[in-house]
Amino acid sequence: GEDVEQSLFLSVREGDSSVINCTYTDSSSTYLYWYKQEPGAGLQLLTYIFSNMDMKQDQRLTVLLNKKDKHLSLRIADTQTGDSAIYFCAEKAGAGSYQLTFGKGTKLSVIP
Amino acid sequence: GAVVSQHPSWVICKSGTSVKIECRSLDFQATTMFWYRQFPKQSLMLMATSNEGSKATYEQGVEKDKFLINHASLTLSTLTVTSAHPEDSSFYICSAVRTGQETQYFGPGTRLLVL
Repeated sequence: GEDVEQSLFLSVREGDSSVINCTYTDSSSTYLYWYKQEPGAGLQLLTYIFSNMDMKQDQRLTVLLNKKDKHLSLRIADTQTGDSAIYFCAEKAGAGSYQLTFGKGTKLSVIP
Repeated sequence: GAVVSQHPSWVICKSGTSVKIECRSLDFQATTMFWYRQFPKQSLMLMATSNEGSKATYEQGVEKDKFLINHASLTLSTLTVTSAHPEDSSFYICSAVRTGQETQYFGPGTRLLVL
């Protein structure tokens, strides 16, 4: 079945860039998502990328997709303390299904 | 926007009682909604897919008689935890898919504590 893997923890200094990595196994993935979850809250959609794209940039966020290696990354430029949260990578399978497969989440800690 | 709300945001109940959680898409219509459960420091576990006007589809291992789902309109799905027990204590999150699109938008979650 589908599997999505992420490292569990990442710690960076305020102002540095953060890179959160994700690997997936389903070659039929159509969309890949990054969600942010702050403590006690639901998931906030940060960005997503369609599987035929290599890169997507949205302000401080850059998503890179290597479809050959099934590797997705999220880069946060000029990381701020407000970026401290858990970041979930998720993939959506092929057409006809809305279901997402989530990774376990990467906890980003930003050191002032 | 694509705002999804949940009510209540948290609830404490006695063992044996039933609890209803509402999930609403506030500014769009959602043919499909999803219900997830999240344990502390863990990822989301899909419980069921809720389709407007039809029966929900439950994931393996999720008791449909225990977790009743009703999706009576294009903006509202409800999850009722029947005869709740302490092991049902968890964070329940819903998501909604805007009709005609594919992205899931999540609610803020409902924390349930069963005493």
